[in-house]
Amino acid sequence: QKEVEQDPGPLSVPEGAIVSLNCTYSNSAFQYFMWYRQYSRKGPELLMYTYSSGNKEDGRFTAQVDKSSKYISLFIRDSQPSDSATYLCAMTVSNTGTASKLTFGTGTRLQVTL
Amino acid sequence: NAGVTQTPKFQVLKTGQSMTLQCAQDMNHNSMYWYRQDPGMGLRLIYYSASEGTTDKGEVPNGYNVSRLNKREFSLRLESAAPSQTSVYFCAVRGGTGTNEKLFFGSGTQLSVL
Repeated sequence: QKEVEQDPGPLSVPEGAIVSLNCTYSNSAFQYFMWYRQYSRKGPELLMYTYSSGNKEDGRFTAQVDKSSKYISLFIRDSQPSDSATYLCAMTVSNTGTASKLTFGTGTRLQVTL
Repeated sequence: NAGVTQTPKFQVLKTGQSMTLQCAQDMNHNSMYWYRQDPGMGLRLIYYSASEGTTDKGEVPNGYNVSRLNKREFSLRLESAAPSQTSVYFCAVRGGTGTNEKLFFGSGTQLSVL
C-alpha cells in the first residue's frame, strides 16, 4: 500500500463547477500538507501549504486537512479552463526544511470544459 | 530571471549509453533536488544536495550519480542507461522558510531509453 493515495482521474467538470480533489495517507506523523499544480510538460508549482488540521483559503482555492481521518482535500470554486492541470498532494512529517522527506501523491488530472 | 533551468528538454538514448542532465538555478538557494516522475508512481526523489559540496541519496538512487558543481549547478548522470530509466526528470530548488517554504521546479527532461 502506498503511503499517499490519490485518484489519478481524469476528472472532467464544466466551467464554473466546484471541484473537490482528495488524498488519503497512512502515516499519522505527517503534519505539513501541500498541493502542487502541474500543467502539461511543465514542472509542478506550489498552490497551497497547510499545517496540521483545519482549512486554508486563497482566492478560489481552499485546502482542508482532517488528520483524524488522514484525509486532505483541495476545493476549487468557480473552476476555469485555466485550472485544467494535474494536481499533486504532498506531505511531510517535519518542516525542518528537508524536502527530501516530502511524499507526493501520484496526481489527479483535472479537465475543466467550456 | 529564469529560476530553475534544465537541459536538455528531450533525449533519446540507447541502452548502455551515458548522459548528464544539467540543472542550474539563479535563485541563490542552497538545497537542490533531482526527482523522476513516472505514471502511477508520482514524484520520487533520486538525489539531493543540501548545500554546495554535499549530496545524499533519495528514494531511488540506483543507476544515477550526481555532482554539485557549485551553488548554482547540480547535475545528474546516467552512466549506463537502462529502459527502466525512461522517465521525466525534474530538478528542484528549495526556497523560503516555514510555511512559505516551497520547491521550485524546472520544466523537466523527458528521457527515453530504447
